[in-house]
Amino acid sequence: EAGVTQSPTHLIKTRGQQVTLRCSPISGHTSVYWYQQALGLGLQFLLWYDEGEERNRGNFPPRFSGRQFPNYSSELNVNALELEDSALYLCASSLRQITGELFFGEGSRLTVL
Amino acid sequence: AQSVTQPDIHITVSEGASLELRCNYSYGATPYLFWYVQSPGQGLQLLLKYFSGDTLVQGIKGFEAEFKRSQSSFNLRKPSVHWSDAAEYFCAVGPGWGKLQFGAGTQVVVTP
Repeated sequence: EAGVTQSPTHLIKTRGQQVTLRCSPISGHTSVYWYQQALGLGLQFLLWYDEGEERNRGNFPPRFSGRQFPNYSSELNVNALELEDSALYLCASSLRQITGELFFGEGSRLTVL
Repeated sequence: AQSVTQPDIHITVSEGASLELRCNYSYGATPYLFWYVQSPGQGLQLLLKYFSGDTLVQGIKGFEAEFKRSQSSFNLRKPSVHWSDAAEYFCAVGPGWGKLQFGAGTQVVVTP
């Protein structure tokens, strides 16, 4: 069974640009979570999508947004990139009704120059 | 408000020695507790989880953790570490659905 897949794995952008990161959850999982892991800041919760709806949002500015598609895959969009957006962006999926256990992808490493 | 504290930022242990990583949590209800491991440049892998029942839980790779409600702790242990256990370890707490709150992580270095 395929795990959570994310793309791209690495990307470099410049300040002010926009980026889209993609995530495919484990088959059958309806919930998708996005976390930011920046150097020295640990894992910060960004967004939670379930059944196509945004269920919860972390303490991030509105230029961080996303969506979930009918097939439960998800996109994370970051507009007007800033240097401090450089981080590993991790996507996780879960079966919402069960246990809250998250299964993580390997992440997308974003570098903003 | 919920929070997770991992007091040790960095631990160095000799190969073959025992390892214990500390985790303390603050949570208003019965917590669902997790330990994840992250190897360099990788995502997070679940080691073990506690929801209810026996307070000593077994996980993958020879890890175990003990839930102590009175101390609000969920410490991770391994009797004998291997060089491949060098990684960052995260404790997390959640309500059983929805997002998890992660600790800051403990970096484990294994020396020969």
